[in-house]
Amino acid sequence: SQQGEEDPQALSIQEGENATMNCSYKTSINNLQWYRQNSGRGLVHLILIRSNEREKHSGRLRVTLDTSKKSSSLLITASRAADTASYFCATRNSGNTPLVFGKGTRLSVIA
Amino acid sequence: EPEVTQTPSHQVTQMGQEVILRCVPISNHLYFYWYRQILGQKVEFLVSFYNNEISEKSEIFDDQFSVERPDGSNFTLKIRSTKLEDSAMYFCASSESLAGYSEQFFGPGTRLTVL
Repeated sequence: SQQGEEDPQALSIQEGENATMNCSYKTSINNLQWYRQNSGRGLVHLILIRSNEREKHSGRLRVTLDTSKKSSSLLITASRAADTASYFCATRNSGNTPLVFGKGTRLSVIA
Repeated sequence: EPEVTQTPSHQVTQMGQEVILRCVPISNHLYFYWYRQILGQKVEFLVSFYNNEISEKSEIFDDQFSVERPDGSNFTLKIRSTKLEDSAMYFCASSESLAGYSEQFFGPGTRLTVL
């Protein structure tokens, strides 16, 4: 079964630095999505990248997708303390299949 | 901005009791989902629902679970006889369509604690 796995499991950086999180998966996908979850809260959709796309930007977020390596990365530039959260990738392997989430990367941004 | 809401935010129950978790999806959305997240683990899909019936369900969604859309706004998840291992955060989500590119909007979750 397909599975998103993020690395690192935890990342601690200083405010202003860039944060890079990676996600790998096992089977072919229709799209890959990144979500943020603040401690004890719900999931906030950040960005969706389709299987035929290689890179996507949204504000300080940059997502890349390499389908040949079955991997994606999420880059947060100029990080802020408010970016402290867990970040999850989730994949969908066809139009109407459910999202499959990874375990997440816990990002701590220190002011 | 429209959002998915869930009640209660925290539910504590005794093992063997029935619980109903409630969700109000975004009003023009047609597809509804339940996911759960056991503490420290992945978010796992439970069930999707469309046109008053289950579209897909996972292995987790056994006979102890049921979903219902009792009226035009609420979407509920019922656990008939809770077990300790049902303790988790339960998330409701909704989307406009079932298309793969349609974003799923998640609610803030209900933390279920089974004692």
